[in-house]
Amino acid sequence: GQQLNQSPQSMFIQEGEDVSMNCTSSSIFNTWLWYKQDPGEGPVLLIALYKAGELTSNGRLTAQFGITRKDSFLNISASIPSDVGIYFCAGYYGQNFVFGPGTRLSVLP
Amino acid sequence: ETGVTQTPRHLVMGMTNKKSLKCEQHLGHNAMYWYKQSAKKPLELMFVYNFKEQTENNSVPSRFSPECPNSSHLFLHLHTLQPEDSALYLCASSQVYTGTATDTQYFGPGTRLTVL
Repeated sequence: GQQLNQSPQSMFIQEGEDVSMNCTSSSIFNTWLWYKQDPGEGPVLLIALYKAGELTSNGRLTAQFGITRKDSFLNISASIPSDVGIYFCAGYYGQNFVFGPGTRLSVLP
Repeated sequence: ETGVTQTPRHLVMGMTNKKSLKCEQHLGHNAMYWYKQSAKKPLELMFVYNFKEQTENNSVPSRFSPECPNSSHLFLHLHTLQPEDSALYLCASSQVYTGTATDTQYFGPGTRLTVL
């Protein structure tokens, strides 16, 4: 089945820095979702994107639906310690729903 | 608080044991899901129930047996598991299941299962 690739796999940043991560596929997606999973918890939906080019913000988080419909990007501005966790992209292509492997974010004080 | 609860949060069982995982959603949703999350692998969808009817079974071994007695509760019955079944089992719910982007899923905290 379709696989999603997330980059980077992991990242260490200093508190206050901005973060960028992306999610790519070889298929065209009609929806992109970004989730965050804290240690010991289930994923929590951060942002949902429904059309190509869409740019949506949720506080310090901003996500974009790539115009090729094969990728999506998530940016976090001015990172804080509670941003630590695993960020998953997920999406629908046709009636299929898949998750990416995640980007693990660590924030150094 | 996501409105989806799972019990137990942690479970250790032997390969010959029988145990059950429970999920309850307080969101008034009609679709419920079981996922398996293994280390360094994407979440794997196992089962989907829509209005208490099973609509998806992604080639899951029969040692995993789901049960959905009503739209608010979902169980995963486990028997004769293997060590490679050790993982985080996540439950999720959505308003309905249509197989489209409108099925925004809300996850529970998961049950960490260890099979010895």
